[in-house]
Amino acid sequence: AQSVTQLGSHVSVSEGALVLLRCNYSSSVPPYLFWYVQYPNQGLQLLLKYTSAATLVKGINGFEAEFKKSETSFHLTKPSAHMSDAAEYFCAVSEGGGAQKLVFGQGTRLTINP
Amino acid sequence: DAGVIQSPRHEVTEMGQEVTLRCKPISGHNSLFWYRQTMMRGLELLIYFNNNVPIDDSGMPEDRFSAKMPNASFSTLKIQPSEPRDSAVYFCASSLDGAQAQHFGDGTRLSIL
Repeated sequence: AQSVTQLGSHVSVSEGALVLLRCNYSSSVPPYLFWYVQYPNQGLQLLLKYTSAATLVKGINGFEAEFKKSETSFHLTKPSAHMSDAAEYFCAVSEGGGAQKLVFGQGTRLTINP
Repeated sequence: DAGVIQSPRHEVTEMGQEVTLRCKPISGHNSLFWYRQTMMRGLELLIYFNNNVPIDDSGMPEDRFSAKMPNASFSTLKIQPSEPRDSAVYFCASSLDGAQAQHFGDGTRLSIL
């Protein structure tokens, strides 16, 4: 069965600093991996996805993530944090192919300090 | 294009009452998902449909919960009777086949008194 572990339920960085949110997955088949962002009182919005093409995936709002099979990781990064990045971030995994279900991590709340 | 539309956005009702949550998926999407989000348990998949057929309802907590998808453009999640522990934010999401990204609605914040 697939699972996702997000390391750190809260991450705090200064405005302009590097953002690094960690995600490790477990999957018995080549996975599809996703990062979502949730702003207060809103649903989840897709940031980026990995579906077995390029291992470095670029998403919206300047975020990117790198798939590392040897480390079973899919960490999310952004070179320079902006105040508007403050939100909760979720990593998710599904089986490849036609599988529909996503398994979500517990989420990481990102705080940006001025 | 319109996204996933959920109604109502907020619902407050008393224990024992029937609650019906509604979802309109994105046009052309053929998979629909119902999730529940709480502080304690995070985001839980309750049930999902593919081509209007329920595929996996293993996340439905108990018989008080039921979901239907009578056509490709509408789904309901019903709780009867409701209990205070059902208080949560309920999300609907839709997607195309092939583990494509799911698109979420803004959720229904449900409070059972």
